[in-house]
Amino acid sequence: DQQVKQNSPSLSVQEGRISILNCDYTNSMFDYFLWYKKYPAEGPTFLISISSIKDKNEDGRFTVFLNKSAKHLSLHIVPSQPGDSAVYFCAASEEDTGANSKLTFGKGITLSVRP
Amino acid sequence: KAGVTQTPRYLIKTRGQQVTLSCSPISGHRSVSWYQQTPGQGLQFLFEYFSETQRNKGNFPGRFSGRQFSNSRSEMNVSTLELGDSALYLCASSFINTGELFFGEGSRLTVL
Repeated sequence: DQQVKQNSPSLSVQEGRISILNCDYTNSMFDYFLWYKKYPAEGPTFLISISSIKDKNEDGRFTVFLNKSAKHLSLHIVPSQPGDSAVYFCAASEEDTGANSKLTFGKGITLSVRP
Repeated sequence: KAGVTQTPRYLIKTRGQQVTLSCSPISGHRSVSWYQQTPGQGLQFLFEYFSETQRNKGNFPGRFSGRQFSNSRSEMNVSTLELGDSALYLCASSFINTGELFFGEGSRLTVL
């Protein structure tokens, strides 16, 4: 039973436009959410996180939105750049401070940004 | 500063053998966790060590084990290898409880 779901396996957007990556979860105990980016032959790298007490967190071109009632979060990248082309993983933790390295990951979504 | 280092990067084993993977965390990081990545299951949590103690464990059989040394370096061992153990094994370290994990490049294990 997958507790973190990224239902779209891939997304293609034009450079300069907005990329919206979606993630749904089923476990009500999740209190902390993260996004990681992964390039081929590299380990995942942390992008941005959000605690359940917030509904939005912004860091430069990246914004994560959390809708707890819908158990849904999304990552917005504006503007999208070709270097953003990678696999993006949504992850969740049951500790509201992220004080737990036991993350549950989605299967990832491959983002392609066309020049 | 140096990132998380995993060795070996690639290895091939046969069914029934055992394997040991090594992970050196970022200097100063005391938490080390291990994940298995496969195409079908994505990234799955194996276990986490903090100050030489296993703090969390995922839903993997007892054939998967690990340990952490006093210098925070960690090893994981898989005994009696099965074909389904073929995967990318990722190690991650963190400094304090921030949820921000720093991953290594992984060890790709192929079981024939």
